[in-house]
Amino acid sequence: EIVLTQSPATLSLSPGERATLSCRASQSVSSYLAWYQQKPGQAPRLLIYDASNRATGIPARFSGSVSGTDFTLTISSLEPEDFAVYYCQQRTNWPLMYTFGQGTKLEIK
Amino acid sequence: QVQLQQSGPGLVKPSQTLSLTCAISGDSVSSNSAAWNWIRQSPSRGLEWLGRTYYRSKWYNEFSVSVESRIIISPDTSKNQFSLQLTSVTPEDTAVYYCARGVVPSGAFDIWGQGTMVTVSS
Repeated sequence: EIVLTQSPATLSLSPGERATLSCRASQSVSSYLAWYQQKPGQAPRLLIYDASNRATGIPARFSGSVSGTDFTLTISSLEPEDFAVYYCQQRTNWPLMYTFGQGTKLEIK
Repeated sequence: QVQLQQSGPGLVKPSQTLSLTCAISGDSVSSNSAAWNWIRQSPSRGLEWLGRTYYRSKWYNEFSVSVESRIIISPDTSKNQFSLQLTSVTPEDTAVYYCARGVVPSGAFDIWGQGTMVTVSS
């Protein structure tokens, strides 16, 4: 079973700063990695799919990248509405499984 | 604009069956380019994928090994919706349950229902 480890658990930044969130897979995975944003009382919202593609309507300040088993979500300049919890998610085929990381909480410093 | 609207009880007794429905608007449960999923979230287990149903000339169902002996996911083409049944529930099944559309082939979930808090308690 693939385990996704997100770091840091909590990230304290100010509006306007750059945020870098990490998601590391326990073994080699495909590029089918997605990032989600979740605010309290809401369902997760898809930000990035296939490691680096922005979902419909997602601002350009959100970007995703990959190097080996290390995936990164970057928010270039934080807006007040970006403070939330972020999750990564991976799919494996044999057996079929969708796995989520434990989340990174992005909080206002 | 695709929307998913969930319905179902928020309280289920231990050993009974949890039943939820997800009504689809703006897309079809029979779409050849989507899969229809159930995901739950709890403080102890985080986000956990439960299973999916999809149509590719015929209907397919796939489930997480963690619940595969207890789960049924059924499409209803007449009402354009799909449902979740989880049998023999215990307090560990207490969670917020979401339905979600899966994008093919990436496996990302691009549209989510509003979530239903289900508590398993006598």
